[in-house]
Amino acid sequence: EVQLVESGGGVVRPGGSLRLSCAASGFTFDDYGMSWVRQAPGKGLEWVSGINWNGGSTGYADSVKGRFTISRDNAKNSLYLQMNSLRAEDTALYHCARVTAMSAFDIWGQGTMVTVSS
Amino acid sequence: EIVLTQSPATLSLSPGERATLSCRASQSVSSYLAWYQQKPGQAPRLLIYDASNRATGIPARFSGSGSGTDFTLTISSLEPEDFAVYYCQQRSNWRGFTFGPGTKVDIK
Repeated sequence: EVQLVESGGGVVRPGGSLRLSCAASGFTFDDYGMSWVRQAPGKGLEWVSGINWNGGSTGYADSVKGRFTISRDNAKNSLYLQMNSLRAEDTALYHCARVTAMSAFDIWGQGTMVTVSS
Repeated sequence: EIVLTQSPATLSLSPGERATLSCRASQSVSSYLAWYQQKPGQAPRLLIYDASNRATGIPARFSGSGSGTDFTLTISSLEPEDFAVYYCQQRSNWRGFTFGPGTKVDIK
């Protein structure tokens, strides 16, 4: 079964850091680009960051640029998001998603919740 | 940055009716436009990619059309399980994917 499972979320104070992980299974991980997409409570979807198949190309939303870093370990079938200098507005459910060659997100994890609060 | 606008914000319809959802881009996205369905407490599900191609397992009542800046998602006859929020999404390159704000299809 094709599956993405996120972990690493939690409650953190403003200015703090968290590292999210996404474990992939059921497909050849290094055949695909990957992304992180978040959804604040009661709000819409926001693309956060993306990475190509070998990590050679990355992109970030302006809202997280300079604070978040995406990476991947193809040997471990894993995707990561290092989040630094967290703000209250980063509070959201963070999904990892597989990116198809047609630039659509075809497989999604259930998400890991990040709450930034003092 | 390309901005996507969806209309209407809410669409109130009855089962069996036809739903027409619009997505407009602030500049051309060619055909790099996808549509997603999201139900409460669930992750989004890919419906349409490349503007008009149904994803695996998506029923034929869902169809997409358009190119450039104007796109449409049509649900030909609403089933009870189709009441949800629908998002469009575009990509320009690895430096930019954006989602529209969503259209909620609810039961009239």
